[in-house]
Amino acid sequence: GAGVSQSPSNKVTEKGKDVELRCDPISGHTALYWYRQSLGQGLEFLIYFQGNSAPDKSGLPSDRFSAERTGGSVSTLTIQRTQQEDSAVYLCASSLGGDSTEAFFGQGTRLTVV
Amino acid sequence: DQQVKQNSPSLSVQEGRISILNCDYTNSMFDYFLWYKKYPAEGPTFLISISSIKDKNEDGRFTVFLNKSAKHLSLHIVPSQPGDSAVYFCAATTWGAQLVFGTGTRLLVSP
Repeated sequence: GAGVSQSPSNKVTEKGKDVELRCDPISGHTALYWYRQSLGQGLEFLIYFQGNSAPDKSGLPSDRFSAERTGGSVSTLTIQRTQQEDSAVYLCASSLGGDSTEAFFGQGTRLTVV
Repeated sequence: DQQVKQNSPSLSVQEGRISILNCDYTNSMFDYFLWYKKYPAEGPTFLISISSIKDKNEDGRFTVFLNKSAKHLSLHIVPSQPGDSAVYFCAATTWGAQLVFGTGTRLLVSP
């Protein structure tokens, strides 16, 4: 499809395990964002990639969280040693970048840490 | 420090009436503002945006107003429809930076 694709759509993991969440942005979009939404909360910024610039990691809540964007396209968000408070919907978005700031979101990955 | 604030967590409106969703921001460097709509179990979808050089942008039933001096923007939906029931997020940004979202307002439009 032409939209932002995220996988898996749902993930249940045991506390302490590592998880990887994948995002396929819209082709040609140079900007990629990761957000998360906890139950009843707003959209919390995690990390932002823009072209070849160093990513803005200011939103990552702890050093257990990391993200990569390979070849300026696919991104992976990794959470190490998951905790129950990591349970949330993780949303990826992409935009053309530059003067265009309209971001298109994927369906999200619902992460449940048990 | 919440740079983008949506002080009303919820709003109930009757079908056919006007819905007004409000958003305040603190960072005077923001120069582009967006509204997103989110249904349960779906990602947010872009609704309408406005640049800081304008004070109004209209798209069908949706109009966004920007008051830069007050650092305030609002989304008007006229007339409201039951299908508009969703959570609405306000977002702000500066060029080349990440989107900063508010906490959302849940709109319920009753028939």
